Amino acid sequence: DAGVIQSPRHEVTEMGQEVTLRCKPISGHNSLFWYRQTMMRGLELLIYFNNNVPIDDSGMPEDRFSAKMPNASFSTLKIQPSEPRDSAVYFCASSHSGQTVYGYTFGSGTRLTVV
Amino acid sequence: RKEVEQDPGPFNVPEGATVAFNCTYSNSASQSFFWYRQDCRKEPKLLMSVYSSGNEDGRFTAQLNRASQYISLLIRDSKLSDSATYLCVVNLSNSSYKLIFGSGTRLLVRP
Repeated sequence: DAGVIQSPRHEVTEMGQEVTLRCKPISGHNSLFWYRQTMMRGLELLIYFNNNVPIDDSGMPEDRFSAKMPNASFSTLKIQPSEPRDSAVYFCASSHSGQTVYGYTFGSGTRLTVV
Repeated sequence: RKEVEQDPGPFNVPEGATVAFNCTYSNSASQSFFWYRQDCRKEPKLLMSVYSSGNEDGRFTAQLNRASQYISLLIRDSKLSDSATYLCVVNLSNSSYKLIFGSGTRLLVRP
């Protein structure tokens, strides 16, 4: 099992640029989560998909953030335009039917730096 | 008040020591509880679930106290490789999918 795969691992971009983060969940998992981690705020849930449908996007900071899941094996998180305060590690996680009893499996994360 | 609170540490202990972390949660209806481990610059990984009756996995013991709304993790015979940040995680009852993460407790095990 390849686990949850995220790309890129690192991204450095200039303020105002568009950033796209990618995630491939574990095959067979139908729940996908995007989290953001910073020193100040810890791990925050941004958005949750179940069966490719966004169920809860209440954690998305503002309209500059958008997420899609066009199929069961791929999701993107886009920031446009990016700002320095968006600098963080963005994690994608997946699980089966949101069964939290087994926890989530996280990807390795994308470390985003906006300068 | 934060939904899940932890002492950030760091806890600095010698190899072989026993160390315990506590975590408190604010929602009394919370149903599921976990400890995750996160190494520096890595992703969080599930360490163990926490069951109502308490549970043990090798050197690790987790306890749940619903009345006081706290969770504990005990590590016996600490190893250098136990150095990491330990995240307390709670599932809110009104949304089965949503895990709330504490900010973590950092553990440093020294030789």
